[in-house]
Amino acid sequence: GAGVSQSPSNKVTEKGKDVELRCDPISGHTALYWYRQSLGQGLEFLIYFQGNSAPDKSGLPSDRFSAERTGGSVSTLTIQRTQQEDSAVYLCASSLSGGARETQYFGPGTRLLVL
Amino acid sequence: DAKTTQPNSMESNEEEPVHLPCNHSTISGTDYIHWYRQLPSQGPEYVIHGLTSNVNNRMASLAIAEDRKSSTLILHRATLRDAAVYYCVPMEYGNKLVFGAGTILRVKS
Repeated sequence: GAGVSQSPSNKVTEKGKDVELRCDPISGHTALYWYRQSLGQGLEFLIYFQGNSAPDKSGLPSDRFSAERTGGSVSTLTIQRTQQEDSAVYLCASSLSGGARETQYFGPGTRLLVL
Repeated sequence: DAKTTQPNSMESNEEEPVHLPCNHSTISGTDYIHWYRQLPSQGPEYVIHGLTSNVNNRMASLAIAEDRKSSTLILHRATLRDAAVYYCVPMEYGNKLVFGAGTILRVKS
């Protein structure tokens, strides 16, 4: 398909384990964003990539959260030593070049549940 | 980041127009005004955006105040499929979308 894809769609893990969430942006999009949405809450920005660089990491909630992007394409969000408060839907979005006029296209999200 | 204020919820009858307001009094001169909506259990979906002039597309119209401190999203004929949370989001280059609480739109048949 031509849209943003994310995997896994659902992830259940135990407190203290590490998890990796994957995002495949739309081909050719240089800008990639991660957001999360906790139950009943609004969307919260986590990190922005332009190519493989992350000029804005201001939304990462703690040093347990990290992300990388390789080849200007796939991105992985890693949460180490997961806590119950990390339970949320993690959304990835991409846009052509990060311009203010551009549409961000969102993936379906990964639903993370930490037991 | 510009702050936005939207009504918590609104209700409309099917086939009637809906005007969803947003105040963004701290917007900068180069921020575009984007509107996204989120249907239940889905990721946000782009609706429309503009800078200074009113904009129309197949989904909606966007009316932007002359001073750019507010805007109104107009759905010309609401359908049940339009029931969603609607977010107005000022955005500058390379920046993230900063979502507020949005407006829950309920559409009655």
